[in-house]
Amino acid sequence: EPEVTQTPSHQVTQMGQEVILRCVPISNHLYFYWYRQILGQKVEFLVSFYNNEISEKSEIFDDQFSVERPDGSNFTLKIRSTKLEDSAMYFCASSEEGRGNSPLHFGNGTRLTVT
Amino acid sequence: ILNVEQSPQSLHVQEGDSTNFTCSFPSSNFYALHWYRWETAKSPEALFVMTLNGDEKKKGQISATLNTKEGYSYLYIKGSQPEDSATYLCAFDNAGNMLTFGGGTRLMVKP
Repeated sequence: EPEVTQTPSHQVTQMGQEVILRCVPISNHLYFYWYRQILGQKVEFLVSFYNNEISEKSEIFDDQFSVERPDGSNFTLKIRSTKLEDSAMYFCASSEEGRGNSPLHFGNGTRLTVT
Repeated sequence: ILNVEQSPQSLHVQEGDSTNFTCSFPSSNFYALHWYRWETAKSPEALFVMTLNGDEKKKGQISATLNTKEGYSYLYIKGSQPEDSATYLCAFDNAGNMLTFGGGTRLMVKP
């Protein structure tokens, strides 16, 4: 069964450094998402992406965050200058349809630790 | 800020017990309600996407009901098995391209 893959599984970085989290969504899916979960808290929406542009973003997704689909397969999340509070598990997801019509398929996540 | 709440937070049952848990969500601007099963060290896996009031969906021994007017959904597991141990997440969609998740119910089934 096709799956969403994320790399790396764990990233440790120093405060102020840039990080890029990578995802390969399921190939025939058109909608892509990033969510995150800070330890002990709820899973939170960051951004959704369709047709090569952001379709929605949350308040968390400020100017320090950006997403890109540089080629036909990868979908990346960049954090320009990491802060301690960015430490979380970051999940990429994709779906065939948008607007909640179809389930999200999640990757295994990247655990980001900012020191 | 949308409030999606799940109860209980955690649940310990014996193998063979049936169990249920609740997800409550805003009753206005409803579009869809998702349920996911999340095993430790794995990715959340979709169980159901429910869109109609009164919907009832079933997958094996797991079923879910939906009441959009009062803003709740129940997830039932009949005859729990140790492999059902996981965190069960619900997520509310209010017609945007984003889901608002509840805090999850952590189920532990003892053999």
